[in-house]
Amino acid sequence: ETGVTQTPRHLVMGMTNKKSLKCEQHLGHNAMYWYKQSAKKPLELMFVYSLEERVENNSVPSRFSPECPNSSHLFLHLHTLQPEDSALYLCASSSRDSSYEQYFGPGTRLTVT
Amino acid sequence: GENVEQHPSTLSVQEGDSAVIKCTYSDSASNYFPWYKQELGKRPQLIIDIRSNVGEKKDQRIAVTLNKTAKHFSLHITETQPEDSAVYFCAALNSGYSTLTFGKGTMLLVSP
Repeated sequence: ETGVTQTPRHLVMGMTNKKSLKCEQHLGHNAMYWYKQSAKKPLELMFVYSLEERVENNSVPSRFSPECPNSSHLFLHLHTLQPEDSALYLCASSSRDSSYEQYFGPGTRLTVT
Repeated sequence: GENVEQHPSTLSVQEGDSAVIKCTYSDSASNYFPWYKQELGKRPQLIIDIRSNVGEKKDQRIAVTLNKTAKHFSLHITETQPEDSAVYFCAALNSGYSTLTFGKGTMLLVSP
């Protein structure tokens, strides 16, 4: 797959573990996003980075910690998660200078046990 | 912030019929409204979008209409085919932050 990639594709972790999700975009975009997709809230925006600066944090619990080291990479660091955090985590990117279209990655299916 | 409502949550049609999905939004300053299609196990992908300076846009069997006064927009799919079966999400651009607020999705099932 090209465009926006995410690793790992599947992750099972215990509530005391620490793990990280990785997203990489090869589209030359300057904005990146983390979404949580679950049955209750199908596409819930978590974080937005524009030009590597966090511009929005939608009241996400501190057990989720984003990191954007450069315009092509985005991480989501996870620690002491709860079972209700089990969901599909989607990364997306866009070019905020031209089009508002967001390109999504394939997602990481996270299960917290 | 922006609030987007989407209806119906599920829609079943026979192959060849038309399907209509409707969304309303709250931010009158919103000026961009995309529709995404998410097939089972796959990522959401943009299928059509409309900006507030037009009332309708078509692309083959799909069309989107926008009523700015009433703050609602709709997706129309004609001559539906089984491969149209998916979850469809509408979205509206938040005027303040240039982020998208998504509706809760519509699961469309097209039966042969």
